[in-house]
Amino acid sequence: KQEVTQIPAALSVPEGENLVLNCSFTDSAIYNLQWFRQDPGKGLTSLLLIQSSQREQTSGRLNASLDKSSGRSTLYIAASQPGDSATYLCAVNPTAGGTSYGKLTFGQGTILTVHP
Amino acid sequence: GAVVSQHPSRVICKSGTSVKIECRSLDFQATTMFWYRQFPKKSLMLMATSNEGSKATYEQGVEKDKFLINHASLTLSTLTVTSAHPEDSSFYICSARDILAGGQAGELFFGEGSRLTVL
Repeated sequence: KQEVTQIPAALSVPEGENLVLNCSFTDSAIYNLQWFRQDPGKGLTSLLLIQSSQREQTSGRLNASLDKSSGRSTLYIAASQPGDSATYLCAVNPTAGGTSYGKLTFGQGTILTVHP
Repeated sequence: GAVVSQHPSRVICKSGTSVKIECRSLDFQATTMFWYRQFPKKSLMLMATSNEGSKATYEQGVEKDKFLINHASLTLSTLTVTSAHPEDSSFYICSARDILAGGQAGELFFGEGSRLTVL
């Protein structure tokens, strides 16, 4: 059974700092990995999606890497801003095909606070 | 981009009543939708897979008679929490699979979630 772990559980940083969020998963047979942002009481906003064949994806100040063989992914946020404060979730998608695709396994999230 | 809409966003009900939550894909057809549940300060847990025109498949430990899922059309799946009790209070989120987007296996889009509070 796939298990996804995120470290740290919570992180508080001053504005402007670069930071790294970590995600690890136990079963490397994945189709892709996705990072989401969730604001309090809200749904999910997709940030970056990395296919299993890819090493990294970038969008603006965000960079996500994937090392499938070691079961790890990181989300790098450059020059953090107070508006980045939210819960960040990573989720893995099982291998495509059959009935498993789309059944995401989520980590428990990292609560990020960026203070001015 | 593709949009998935959930309704209602918030609902408060009395214990013992049933509540229906809708998940709609607004600009694509979704043969498969997924329902997740999120407890306070916890992560999302997959409850069931909703399949258009056939029965839903439930994850281990999820009561199918408690959480009724209907996927009657290619754009709508509903989750009905029957005889709701306070322990059913949670945040429910759906996702829909657009098989025509995102490559071979399609792309997933999430709804905004529905917060259920059972008194």
